[in-house]
Amino acid sequence: QSVLTQPPSTSGTPGQRVTISCSGGTSNIGTNTVNWYQQLPGTAPKVLIYSNNQRPSGVPDRFSGSKSGTSASLAISGLQSEDEADYYCAAWDDSLYAVIFGGGTKLTVL
Amino acid sequence: EVQLVESGGGLVQPGGSLRLSCAASGFTFSSYWMHWVRQAPGKGLVWVSRISSDGSSTSYADSVKGRFTISRDNAQKTLYLQMNSLRAEDTAVYYCARGYTSSASWFDPWGQGSLVTVSS
Repeated sequence: QSVLTQPPSTSGTPGQRVTISCSGGTSNIGTNTVNWYQQLPGTAPKVLIYSNNQRPSGVPDRFSGSKSGTSASLAISGLQSEDEADYYCAAWDDSLYAVIFGGGTKLTVL
Repeated sequence: EVQLVESGGGLVQPGGSLRLSCAASGFTFSSYWMHWVRQAPGKGLVWVSRISSDGSSTSYADSVKGRFTISRDNAQKTLYLQMNSLRAEDTAVYYCARGYTSSASWFDPWGQGSLVTVSS
C-alpha cells in the first residue's frame, strides 16, 4: 500500500480531458514538491511534470500539474492514443526520510 | 546527449549478491545526486536509494537498509548498487536516475533498466 494514493485506473476518449489525483499527507505533499512520471509500455519512466507544475522541454502543454494542500493532480487535455500509459506521482517524505511514489494510474484511451 | 546505462543484472540465488553499475555520459556527473528505483514485474515504482553528488551522504528505503549499498566513482562517472542477502522480493527491474536538489523526487533522465531475478 503506497503512502501516496492514486486511482488504479482511468480512461477517456480522444480529445477528452482527464485528471489523475494523488493524495498524500503533511509530511510529503504538504511540505515538498510533487513530480509526475509517464511510463509507456515496456519503457523506462520519463518525467512529465516537475516541481508541482513545471513542464520539461519537449513535454506538450496538454499536460499540466497542480498542488493544493496535501493533494496533487495531473491533467491531460486533448487526449491522444499515445497518452495510453501508466502515470506515477512522487514526493519526498520527511517522516520516512525517503522518496515515495504513488501506486500508479493506468490510463486507457478508448 | 544525457544518458544513463545500467549493467550487471541477472539471475542470482536467494542469499546471493550482485552489483549493478550505471554509466553516465553527457553531463557533469559529479554535480548531481543519483538514485536507484526498482519495479517488480507488473508492479509500481519503488525508490531504493540515493547518494549525494560527492558521495558523502546516502539514504535507503527500509526494505533494503543493511543489505544494499549505494556508491559512486565520480572519476569514472559511474554509480553502483551493491546488493547482498538477496531475497525473492528483490526481483525487479532496477533503474538508475539523475536527481535534482531543488526537488528530491525529481528524476531525469532514467536509465533503460537492469533486470535482477532472485530465484533458486
